[in-house]
Amino acid sequence: QKEVEQNSGPLSVPEGAIASLNCTYSDRGSQSFFWYRQYSGKSPELIMSIYSNGDKEDGRFTAQLNKASQYVSLLIRDSQPSDSATYLCAVTKAGYSTLTFGKGTMLLVSP
Amino acid sequence: EADIYQTPRYLVIGTGKKITLECSQTMGHDKMYWYQQDPGMELHLIHYSYGVNSTEKGDLSSESTVSRIRTEHFPLTLESARPSHTSQYLCASSGRDNNQPQHFGDGTRLSIL
Repeated sequence: QKEVEQNSGPLSVPEGAIASLNCTYSDRGSQSFFWYRQYSGKSPELIMSIYSNGDKEDGRFTAQLNKASQYVSLLIRDSQPSDSATYLCAVTKAGYSTLTFGKGTMLLVSP
Repeated sequence: EADIYQTPRYLVIGTGKKITLECSQTMGHDKMYWYQQDPGMELHLIHYSYGVNSTEKGDLSSESTVSRIRTEHFPLTLESARPSHTSQYLCASSGRDNNQPQHFGDGTRLSIL
């Protein structure tokens, strides 16, 4: 079992819809959770971080963390074509700063 | 906006050459990282450093080496480049707290002929 798992997609949504991206992790000692966006040929860009159970909202983005079920999700409201990218879930274990990345989910937002 | 810089952005070079990829950050971050990523594939950690004179190998075995003589500078060196080294190399840094996120540079796309 991979440490961080994501559906590779592509996840296709129409413009204006809510995109829901999911990530599960295997290590119960995981402590910090991040979502990065990566456009094709570019480097990852941090869009959300979450550390405790519940929801965290930032503009059109909401990160949700459920440590008991070992999943973290990212909701993108009012999806725009410019949101089309690969979204990477990344996790750190307690006491470590190295990140374990999932393979990423490709999101396609059609006009 | 993260201030982490990588040079060169693109490099095409012949087999057997010695290559150094530069990475510098102006945020005073203690921790720095090198990742390797092939097109459409996942990120793999190849080296990291928790501070000056500290270097560790990552999850993916790499023939490259790194050094950390100054806080702001974390160069990666390939002594003798081979076509199998063709990839994108991404540098990142983070603050002292383990919970702080990593910020990435723009990357170096390396092609070995």
